Amino acid sequence: GENVEQHPSTLSVQEGDSAVIKCTYSDSASNYFPWYKQELGKGPQLIIDIRSNVGEKKDQRIAVTLNKTAKHFSLHITETQPEDSAVYFCAARGSGGYQKVTFGTGTKLQVIP
Amino acid sequence: DSGVTQTPKHLITATGQRVTLRCSPRSGDLSVYWYQQSLDQGLQFLIQYYNGEERAKGNILERFSAQQFPDLHSELNLSSLELGDSALYFCASSVGRDRESNYGYTFGSGTRLTVV
Repeated sequence: GENVEQHPSTLSVQEGDSAVIKCTYSDSASNYFPWYKQELGKGPQLIIDIRSNVGEKKDQRIAVTLNKTAKHFSLHITETQPEDSAVYFCAARGSGGYQKVTFGTGTKLQVIP
Repeated sequence: DSGVTQTPKHLITATGQRVTLRCSPRSGDLSVYWYQQSLDQGLQFLIQYYNGEERAKGNILERFSAQQFPDLHSELNLSSLELGDSALYFCASSVGRDRESNYGYTFGSGTRLTVV
Protein backbone atom coordinates (compact mmCIF):
# COMPACT_ATOMS: atom_id res chain seq x y z
CA GLY A 1 0.00 0.00 0.00
CA GLU A 2 0.84 3.65 -0.09
CA ASN A 3 3.37 5.03 2.38
CA VAL A 4 3.68 8.77 2.98
CA GLU A 5 6.61 10.26 4.87
CA GLN A 6 6.53 13.83 6.15
CA HIS A 7 9.29 16.13 7.42
CA PRO A 8 9.95 17.89 9.65
CA SER A 9 7.81 16.74 12.56
CA THR A 10 8.08 20.18 14.20
CA LEU A 11 8.87 23.55 12.70
CA SER A 12 9.25 26.95 14.35
CA VAL A 13 9.45 30.12 12.30
CA GLN A 14 9.34 33.81 13.03
CA GLU A 15 6.24 35.65 11.98
CA GLY A 16 6.63 36.85 8.41
CA ASP A 17 9.10 34.13 7.44
CA SER A 18 8.32 31.25 5.12
CA ALA A 19 7.65 27.65 6.14
CA VAL A 20 8.21 24.57 4.02
CA ILE A 21 6.93 21.08 4.75
CA LYS A 22 8.05 18.16 2.60
CA CYS A 23 6.47 14.79 1.88
CA THR A 24 7.39 11.73 -0.13
CA TYR A 25 5.11 8.96 -1.30
CA SER A 26 5.75 5.43 -2.44
CA ASP A 27 2.96 4.56 -4.89
CA SER A 28 3.75 5.96 -8.32
CA ALA A 29 0.07 5.52 -9.23
CA SER A 30 -1.02 8.12 -6.67
CA ASN A 31 -2.56 11.07 -8.42
CA TYR A 32 -4.12 13.30 -5.79
CA PHE A 33 -2.27 15.08 -3.00
CA PRO A 34 -4.24 17.07 -0.41
CA TRP A 35 -2.92 19.05 2.53
CA TYR A 36 -4.81 19.41 5.78
CA LYS A 37 -4.51 21.85 8.66
CA GLN A 38 -5.55 20.75 12.11
CA GLU A 39 -6.00 23.37 14.80
CA LEU A 40 -6.06 22.40 18.44
CA GLY A 41 -9.23 20.53 19.35
CA LYS A 42 -10.57 20.51 15.81
CA GLY A 43 -10.76 18.12 12.90
CA PRO A 44 -8.34 18.40 9.98
CA GLN A 45 -9.40 20.88 7.34
CA LEU A 46 -8.47 20.68 3.68
CA ILE A 47 -6.44 23.78 2.78
CA ILE A 48 -5.07 23.00 -0.66
CA ASP A 49 -4.71 20.04 -3.00
CA ILE A 50 -2.91 19.21 -6.20
CA ARG A 51 -3.48 16.66 -8.89
CA SER A 52 -0.81 14.71 -10.68
CA ASN A 53 -1.20 16.58 -13.96
CA VAL A 54 -0.16 19.82 -12.29
CA GLY A 55 3.28 20.74 -11.01
CA GLU A 56 2.37 23.67 -8.81
CA LYS A 57 -0.69 25.30 -7.32
CA LYS A 58 -1.01 28.50 -5.36
CA ASP A 59 -3.71 29.96 -3.18
CA GLN A 60 -2.81 33.31 -1.64
CA ARG A 61 0.03 32.61 0.84
CA ILE A 62 -0.08 28.86 0.38
CA ALA A 63 1.49 26.92 -2.48
CA VAL A 64 2.07 23.26 -3.17
CA THR A 65 4.58 21.75 -5.58
CA LEU A 66 4.66 18.23 -6.93
CA ASN A 67 7.55 16.32 -8.45
CA LYS A 68 6.12 13.08 -9.80
CA THR A 69 9.46 11.76 -10.95
CA ALA A 70 10.95 12.02 -7.49
CA LYS A 71 7.62 11.23 -5.82
CA HIS A 72 7.69 14.16 -3.50
CA PHE A 73 5.52 17.18 -2.85
CA SER A 74 5.85 20.19 -0.62
CA LEU A 75 3.74 22.82 1.10
CA HIS A 76 5.02 26.38 1.14
CA ILE A 77 3.54 29.03 3.41
CA THR A 78 4.80 32.56 2.88
CA GLU A 79 4.50 35.57 5.19
CA THR A 80 3.53 33.32 8.08
CA GLN A 81 1.13 34.60 10.71
CA PRO A 82 0.42 33.36 14.26
CA GLU A 83 -2.88 31.91 13.06
CA ASP A 84 -0.91 29.58 10.78
CA SER A 85 0.24 27.73 13.91
CA ALA A 86 -1.28 24.25 13.68
CA VAL A 87 -0.49 20.68 12.70
CA TYR A 88 -0.26 20.13 8.97
CA PHE A 89 -0.80 16.76 7.31
CA CYS A 90 0.12 15.83 3.78
CA ALA A 91 -1.65 12.96 2.08
CA ALA A 92 -1.70 10.92 -1.10
CA ARG A 93 -4.45 9.06 -2.85
CA GLY A 94 -4.08 6.27 -5.36
CA SER A 95 -5.88 6.15 -8.68
CA GLY A 96 -9.04 4.16 -9.21
CA GLY A 97 -12.27 4.05 -7.31
CA TYR A 98 -12.53 3.72 -3.55
CA GLN A 99 -8.90 4.54 -3.01
CA LYS A 100 -8.40 5.83 0.48
CA VAL A 101 -6.18 8.74 1.34
CA THR A 102 -2.97 7.89 3.19
CA PHE A 103 -1.77 10.58 5.57
CA GLY A 104 1.70 11.64 6.59
CA THR A 105 2.61 11.80 10.27
CA GLY A 106 2.06 15.53 10.58
CA THR A 107 4.14 18.66 11.12
CA LYS A 108 3.54 20.89 14.10
CA LEU A 109 4.13 24.44 12.91
CA GLN A 110 4.68 27.20 15.44
CA VAL A 111 4.78 30.78 14.23
CA ILE A 112 6.51 32.98 16.78
CA PRO A 113 5.16 36.54 16.94
CA ASP B 1 -19.34 23.73 10.32
CA SER B 2 -17.81 21.22 7.90
CA GLY B 3 -21.07 19.43 7.23
CA VAL B 4 -19.87 16.21 8.86
CA THR B 5 -21.54 15.73 12.23
CA GLN B 6 -20.06 13.58 14.96
CA THR B 7 -21.69 12.76 18.25
CA PRO B 8 -20.98 12.78 21.07
CA LYS B 9 -18.17 15.35 21.26
CA HIS B 10 -16.85 13.94 24.50
CA LEU B 11 -17.22 10.53 26.09
CA ILE B 12 -15.83 9.26 29.36
CA THR B 13 -16.24 5.60 30.17
CA ALA B 14 -14.70 2.84 32.23
CA THR B 15 -12.45 0.04 31.07
CA GLY B 16 -14.33 -2.98 29.80
CA GLN B 17 -17.29 -0.95 28.63
CA ARG B 18 -18.72 -0.54 25.14
CA VAL B 19 -19.46 2.73 23.36
CA THR B 20 -20.92 3.80 20.03
CA LEU B 21 -19.72 6.81 18.11
CA ARG B 22 -21.95 8.28 15.46
CA CYS B 23 -21.19 10.11 12.24
CA SER B 24 -23.46 11.81 9.71
CA PRO B 25 -21.61 12.51 6.45
CA ARG B 26 -21.84 15.69 4.44
CA SER B 27 -24.89 15.83 2.22
CA GLY B 28 -24.21 13.97 -1.03
CA ASP B 29 -21.17 12.10 0.23
CA LEU B 30 -21.37 8.33 -0.04
CA SER B 31 -18.07 7.34 1.57
CA VAL B 32 -17.35 7.44 5.27
CA TYR B 33 -13.94 6.93 6.85
CA TRP B 34 -13.02 6.46 10.49
CA TYR B 35 -9.68 7.56 11.91
CA GLN B 36 -8.12 7.31 15.34
CA GLN B 37 -5.77 10.00 16.62
CA SER B 38 -3.97 9.36 19.86
CA LEU B 39 -2.22 12.16 21.79
CA ASP B 40 0.33 13.89 19.55
CA GLN B 41 -0.04 11.13 16.99
CA GLY B 42 -1.01 11.09 13.37
CA LEU B 43 -4.22 9.90 11.82
CA GLN B 44 -4.56 6.14 11.93
CA PHE B 45 -7.01 4.82 9.36
CA LEU B 46 -9.52 2.38 10.80
CA ILE B 47 -12.15 1.58 8.21
CA GLN B 48 -13.99 2.88 5.15
CA TYR B 49 -17.58 2.40 4.02
CA TYR B 50 -19.09 3.29 0.68
CA ASN B 51 -22.85 3.40 0.28
CA GLY B 52 -23.39 0.88 3.04
CA GLU B 53 -20.62 -1.54 2.15
CA GLU B 54 -17.23 -1.97 3.76
CA ARG B 55 -14.51 -0.95 1.28
CA ALA B 56 -11.23 -0.92 3.13
CA LYS B 57 -9.85 -1.84 6.51
CA GLY B 58 -6.86 -0.37 8.23
CA ASN B 59 -5.47 -0.90 11.70
CA ILE B 60 -8.80 -1.65 13.29
CA LEU B 61 -8.83 -3.90 16.32
CA GLU B 62 -11.16 -6.89 16.47
CA ARG B 63 -12.83 -5.23 19.46
CA PHE B 64 -13.91 -2.43 17.15
CA SER B 65 -16.56 -2.63 14.47
CA ALA B 66 -18.44 -0.23 12.27
CA GLN B 67 -21.35 -0.05 9.90
CA GLN B 68 -22.98 2.37 7.52
CA PHE B 69 -26.74 2.53 7.43
CA PRO B 70 -29.12 3.10 4.47
CA ASP B 71 -29.37 6.80 5.35
CA LEU B 72 -25.54 6.83 5.07
CA HIS B 73 -24.81 7.67 8.66
CA SER B 74 -22.17 5.49 10.24
CA GLU B 75 -21.48 4.13 13.68
CA LEU B 76 -18.21 2.98 15.18
CA ASN B 77 -18.59 0.51 18.01
CA LEU B 78 -15.77 0.11 20.49
CA SER B 79 -16.03 -2.73 23.01
CA SER B 80 -14.02 -4.14 25.90
CA LEU B 81 -12.42 -0.74 26.17
CA GLU B 82 -8.88 -0.38 27.42
CA LEU B 83 -7.01 2.66 28.70
CA GLY B 84 -5.05 2.73 25.46
CA ASP B 85 -8.22 3.28 23.45
CA SER B 86 -8.40 6.82 24.77
CA ALA B 87 -8.07 9.01 21.71
CA LEU B 88 -9.79 11.34 19.31
CA TYR B 89 -11.91 9.50 16.79
CA PHE B 90 -12.60 11.31 13.56
CA CYS B 91 -15.08 10.58 10.87
CA ALA B 92 -14.55 11.92 7.38
CA SER B 93 -16.70 11.76 4.29
CA SER B 94 -16.11 12.14 0.58
CA VAL B 95 -18.04 11.90 -2.61
CA GLY B 96 -16.63 8.44 -3.21
CA ARG B 97 -17.91 7.90 -6.70
CA ASP B 98 -16.94 4.60 -8.23
CA ARG B 99 -15.08 6.18 -11.08
CA GLU B 100 -11.63 7.62 -10.59
CA SER B 101 -12.11 10.71 -8.54
CA ASN B 102 -9.87 13.23 -6.93
CA TYR B 103 -11.79 14.53 -4.01
CA GLY B 104 -10.54 15.35 -0.60
CA TYR B 105 -12.10 14.37 2.65
CA THR B 106 -14.26 16.52 4.87
CA PHE B 107 -13.63 15.79 8.52
CA GLY B 108 -15.96 16.10 11.44
CA SER B 109 -14.85 17.73 14.68
CA GLY B 110 -14.23 14.37 16.32
CA THR B 111 -15.25 12.49 19.43
CA ARG B 112 -12.83 12.62 22.33
CA LEU B 113 -12.97 9.28 24.12
CA THR B 114 -11.47 8.96 27.57
CA VAL B 115 -11.28 5.52 29.13
CA VAL B 116 -10.71 5.54 32.88
